[in-house]
Amino acid sequence: RKEVEQDPGPFNVPEGATVAFNCTYSNSASQSFFWYRQDCRKEPKLLMSVYSSGNEDGRFTAQLNRASQYISLLIRDSKLSDSATYLCVALGYGQNFVFGPGTRLSVLP
Amino acid sequence: NAGVTQTPKFQVLKTGQSMTLQCAQDMNHEYMSWYRQDPGMGLRLIHYSVGAGITDQGEVPNGYNVSRSTTEDFPLRLLSAAPSQTSVYFCASSHQHQNEQFFGPGTRLTVL
Repeated sequence: RKEVEQDPGPFNVPEGATVAFNCTYSNSASQSFFWYRQDCRKEPKLLMSVYSSGNEDGRFTAQLNRASQYISLLIRDSKLSDSATYLCVALGYGQNFVFGPGTRLSVLP
Repeated sequence: NAGVTQTPKFQVLKTGQSMTLQCAQDMNHEYMSWYRQDPGMGLRLIHYSVGAGITDQGEVPNGYNVSRSTTEDFPLRLLSAAPSQTSVYFCASSHQHQNEQFFGPGTRLTVL
């Protein structure tokens, strides 16, 4: 079983839609979590960290469920510019980043 | 600040050739790492360094060497290129091991 798993998609949604991605992790000792965004043929860039209590940044909301070992990303009012691949990351104390394979999102006009 | 820079952007090698991928950062970050990204596989860690003079292996280190003589530079050497090393290579850095990583623009390598 991979350490971090994601639904590869693609998720095709119309502009203005709300879309949610889940990401499961297998290491129960994981302590830090992130969502990265990667545009086609570009480098990954940090979208947001994921805090235990959940956190929001504009149209983006991240949640952590330690009991079920998953993190989620909710995007409200999708824009064309949100089209990208979204990578989740989990790491335990003293460990290296473990990236999920990514979920591809296409926002359609 | 230039952030994390990588050269070259593209490279084509023949099987058996060797080459060095360059990575530099100007953010005075202690932690640097190399990843390869293949379709459906996500980013896999090749080697990493927690500071000058210290390197360690990641998930897929075979066929690659690294060194870290300065804080700024972290080159990745392919010893004898193989077609299985065709991939996109990203270098990344962060202030410390557990912090947000900043990525370079990547090197697209094809081994024939």
